[in-house]
Amino acid sequence: GENVEQHPSTLSVQEGDSAVIKCTYSDSASNYFPWYKQELGKRPQLIIDIRSNVGEKKDQRIAVTLNKTAKHFSLHITETQPEDSAVYFCAASHDRDLNTNAGKSTFGDGTTLTVKP
Amino acid sequence: GAVVSQHPSWVICKSGTSVKIECRSLDFQATTMFWYRQFPKQSLMLMATSNEGSKATYEQGVEKDKFLINHASLTLSTLTVTSAHPEDSSFYICSASRTYNSPLHFGNGTRLTVT
Repeated sequence: GENVEQHPSTLSVQEGDSAVIKCTYSDSASNYFPWYKQELGKRPQLIIDIRSNVGEKKDQRIAVTLNKTAKHFSLHITETQPEDSAVYFCAASHDRDLNTNAGKSTFGDGTTLTVKP
Repeated sequence: GAVVSQHPSWVICKSGTSVKIECRSLDFQATTMFWYRQFPKQSLMLMATSNEGSKATYEQGVEKDKFLINHASLTLSTLTVTSAHPEDSSFYICSASRTYNSPLHFGNGTRLTVT
């Protein structure tokens, strides 16, 4: 099955600095890579995603890059703000076949990001 | 759009009793829903995949007789923790997506405490 590794487990940055979180995956069939943000006591919410036919995607201060050959993808947050403090999860899934495994996401262990004002 | 409602948000029960948690997709149909368990400061551990109209698929190590899943309709899946024990105390959360391989929309989670 798929294995997703996420680093670092904790990350502390100064407000205004950039933050980078990296994930690697093992299943070359994976073709969908979302990132979720979970604030304390709340549900995870999608912040950005990328599919395997794209190398990079950006949405304001957030960007994701994908290297299919190396099987890794990264989340980049620029000009960090205190409200960016949360746990971030990467995930990987595929739609190789329409069985019960299709769309089942494998999550990384999460990165706790702290942005110091 | 794409709202998933989970109920209850928290529940306290005594050992040996059963607890039912509901997960509803409010504005879309979800052929598949997922149930997770999340320990403090840890990742989402997938327990099972809930399939509408068929049996759930459980992950290795998850007791299907203890964690009963029913996906009665395209908008409702339920997780019943049977004969609950203190070690079942945890945060349970569901998710659903509109289609395969698309963003997951999570419920707000259920904090279960078994005394």
